[in-house]
Amino acid sequence: EVQLVESGGGLVQPGGSLRLSCVASGFTFSSYAMTWVRQAPGRGLDWVSLISGSGSSTYYADSVKGRFTIFRDNSKNTLYLQMNSLRAEDTALYYCAKIAGGVVAAIPDYWGQGTLVTVSS
Amino acid sequence: EIVLTQSPGTLSLSPGERVTLSCRASQSVSSNYLGWHQQKPGQAPRLLIFGASSRATGIPDRFSGSGSGTDFTLTITRLEPEDFAVYYCQQYGSSPYTFGQGTKLEIK
Repeated sequence: EVQLVESGGGLVQPGGSLRLSCVASGFTFSSYAMTWVRQAPGRGLDWVSLISGSGSSTYYADSVKGRFTIFRDNSKNTLYLQMNSLRAEDTALYYCAKIAGGVVAAIPDYWGQGTLVTVSS
Repeated sequence: EIVLTQSPGTLSLSPGERVTLSCRASQSVSSNYLGWHQQKPGQAPRLLIFGASSRATGIPDRFSGSGSGTDFTLTITRLEPEDFAVYYCQQYGSSPYTFGQGTKLEIK
């Protein structure tokens, strides 16, 4: 059974940093691309970033480019999102999701339950 | 960036009815890489449809997707009580892999 468990969310001041983690199990982690999607309170889904199975290819939404970094440790079956220079508009529930295949057909087929990030002074 | 526009924003229907949700793209979606996700309150999204018309694992056959290019639809043939939720389309043909704003199905 595929399981994705996010952690690392919390309250952070504007301009601060946070690192999210997502521990995966139930599949061969290194064989699949992974993605982060966020959802602001009461709002829709917002794609954030994607990384290939090997970690060699990464993609970002314009809204986070240069501030967020996606990376993975395949030896630990863990996906990360390093978030710097956080803004109030980054406040959201952050979901980690497994991609059905590689970066060419990057549809999420399994989702975690999310970790909440709140950016506020 | 491909912008996806879903319509209508909200639908009020009764169990047993048939419903069609629309997703229109601002430009052609590469290889019909268009998916649909269902999200219930307090839950993570769940993949329903990928490749515009293929059902994901375990999805009942009352859910079907169709379309190509810029116009896509999700049809639910007979609404069950558990189908009342928010539905999002997503294109994954080109980065950024954008979502539509969602259509909320509510019980009438």
